[in-house]
Amino acid sequence: DADVTQTPRNRITKTGKRIMLECSQTKGHDRMYWYRQDPGLGLRLIYYSFDVKDINKGEISDGYSVSRQAQAKFSLSLESAIPNQTALYFCATSSGTGTNQPQHFGDGTRLSIL
Amino acid sequence: DQQVKQNSPSLSVQEGRISILNCDYTNSMFDYFLWYKKYPAEGPTFLISISSIKDKNEDGRFTVFLNKSAKHLSLHIVPSQPGDSAVYFCAAKSGGSNYKLTFGKGTLLTVNP
Repeated sequence: DADVTQTPRNRITKTGKRIMLECSQTKGHDRMYWYRQDPGLGLRLIYYSFDVKDINKGEISDGYSVSRQAQAKFSLSLESAIPNQTALYFCATSSGTGTNQPQHFGDGTRLSIL
Repeated sequence: DQQVKQNSPSLSVQEGRISILNCDYTNSMFDYFLWYKKYPAEGPTFLISISSIKDKNEDGRFTVFLNKSAKHLSLHIVPSQPGDSAVYFCAAKSGGSNYKLTFGKGTLLTVNP
């Protein structure tokens, strides 16, 4: 079983629709992150959370919101989807113990907005 | 402004030879560097990391070298295997308790049998 699970894996929707992407983890990590990847680009941080109800903006948070109601779950919402939000979205987790801990990623959600 | 740069979009090597993937950075506050490997339809998988207080870290076939004065790091894979064919991302973290990674654009490695 995957340690970091993202649902759905693929989603096609229309402009203006509200979309929620879910992430759950069984690693027991405190820290969770949402990234997006566009073709030919690296991953860019959207939001991150270091604890339940702790929310922090990343470098590209406009147009997105997140919710962290439980340690194991971190959801990403697009309130009114637009075509340039078409991308591959990744959730990641890391331990809050120690200074340098690698992040562990889910397998991604491919989102297409028409 | 791209703070982590992987200037080679792709690299092709023969099985059994060495693969060298390069990464340059501009932010002198980066203190921890990581390499991730990504297969199609999967998420990035952590491969190896290095702290800025070291200049080399080795794990099996994978070795990461850090040259702080040149703001350059490299990943060596010896010997390369066809299963190593993937996109490799370099990432960096700046100092402090905040844990945010800055990623390069990735290098597609192809290992030919």
